[in-house]
Amino acid sequence: GPKVLQIPSHQIIDMGQMVTLNCDPVSNHLYFYWYKQILGQQMEFLVNFYNGKVMEKSKLFKDQFSVERPDGSYFTLKIQPTALEDSAVYFCASSLEGAPGNTLYFGEGSRLIVV
Amino acid sequence: GDSVTQTEGLVTLTKGLPVMLNCTYQTTYSPFLFWYVQHLNEAPKLLLKSSTDNKRTEHQGFYATLHKSSSSFHLQKSSVQLSDSALYFCALSDYGSSGNKLIFGIGTLLSVKP
Repeated sequence: GPKVLQIPSHQIIDMGQMVTLNCDPVSNHLYFYWYKQILGQQMEFLVNFYNGKVMEKSKLFKDQFSVERPDGSYFTLKIQPTALEDSAVYFCASSLEGAPGNTLYFGEGSRLIVV
Repeated sequence: GDSVTQTEGLVTLTKGLPVMLNCTYQTTYSPFLFWYVQHLNEAPKLLLKSSTDNKRTEHQGFYATLHKSSSSFHLQKSSVQLSDSALYFCALSDYGSSGNKLIFGIGTLLSVKP
């Protein structure tokens, strides 16, 4: 089936440094999402993105977070600077259409450890 | 706001037995309900979804019926297999937000033993 690729799968980073998580969505998909999952807790919505713009972001999407997708390249989540509480697994997802009820396709996640 | 509740954190069963994983939700909008399954070291994948009240939806031997009267979308299978061992997430979306934002439950880990 359709695949979403995430790079890196794991990263350990010093607090205060910048990190960029990369997502290669399903090729014809137009809507992109980031979710955050802290160990033992549910996946929580961070942001969705369409046509070069953030559509909606949650309160977890702090000012230190940013997303972009330069033409034809990865959909990225950048955290600058990182904090200890940013340690989590970050899942990227994409969908063909943006209306509720459309299927989101997820990547395997990027595990971020901030020390 | 919207929420999804999955009451069982871990369900352990012997192969061949039936299973029901509970999911209830809260929203003021007309809901779309999903079950995602995540096997170890893999991406979460859609198992089934529904927005139609009182209609059973099935996929790969699993089935669920959306009951708006009780705000429930429990996942069932009549005979579990070893390969069904995985993490199962119930999720909700609706027209109350911009775009297709999924709200997830905490997940239920299903462990099937020989």
